[in-house]
Amino acid sequence: SQQGEEDPQALSIQEGENATMNCSYKTSINNLQWYRQNSGRGLVHLILIRSNEREKHSGRLRVTLDTSKKSSSLLITASRAADTASYFCATENVWAGGTSYGKLTFGQGTILTVHP
Amino acid sequence: GAGVSQSPRYKVAKRGQDVALRCDPISGHVSLFWYQQALGQGPEFLTYFQNEAQLDKSGLPSDRFFAERPEGSVSTLKIQRTQQEDSAVYLCASSSLLRGKETQYFGPGTRLLVL
Repeated sequence: SQQGEEDPQALSIQEGENATMNCSYKTSINNLQWYRQNSGRGLVHLILIRSNEREKHSGRLRVTLDTSKKSSSLLITASRAADTASYFCATENVWAGGTSYGKLTFGQGTILTVHP
Repeated sequence: GAGVSQSPRYKVAKRGQDVALRCDPISGHVSLFWYQQALGQGPEFLTYFQNEAQLDKSGLPSDRFFAERPEGSVSTLKIQRTQQEDSAVYLCASSSLLRGKETQYFGPGTRLLVL
């Protein structure tokens, strides 16, 4: 079953604009990760934020995490046509009484289209 | 030294046929995951191996699905008596168990179409 809900489901912007995608989840987590998937290809890891972190940056990416609201956002600044892809958030959940081995629970994704 | 590879990339099967999907993880990665991704959906967990041990198979949808990793490296996902609802992309991922290096590296997937 899918853990997260992402919104919007689809986002269409012009090159140079910023894109913001949101993810909500339901259970306690160890970390939250964002992945990108180009059409017909595998998933590429973008960034990981741990449950004790609130914000993280990587190049043009900025991720925030609010564990009290069980939500995260991914901001892509100065978007490019090459950023066109599906973006997924994935959580590594806390498992009662056991050591987490990294199993990920994915959201349904946001389809981002960046027009040149 | 490259990333995770999967074969075949595409597979068309007639309903009732058995199929075998192969995953070559990154060398030295202890953890190996299989996920199933239906069209327009996010990936869903199927099973997890730590070396050769299958520690979690809670996501396998039925007893027609079987996975193995006998020597702790290459893994095979087998689907017996395929059904149309098995049509999906099957993704394999591997990772280290070392803290700080938990990133899962995904293969390109095998797109299975059952007719």
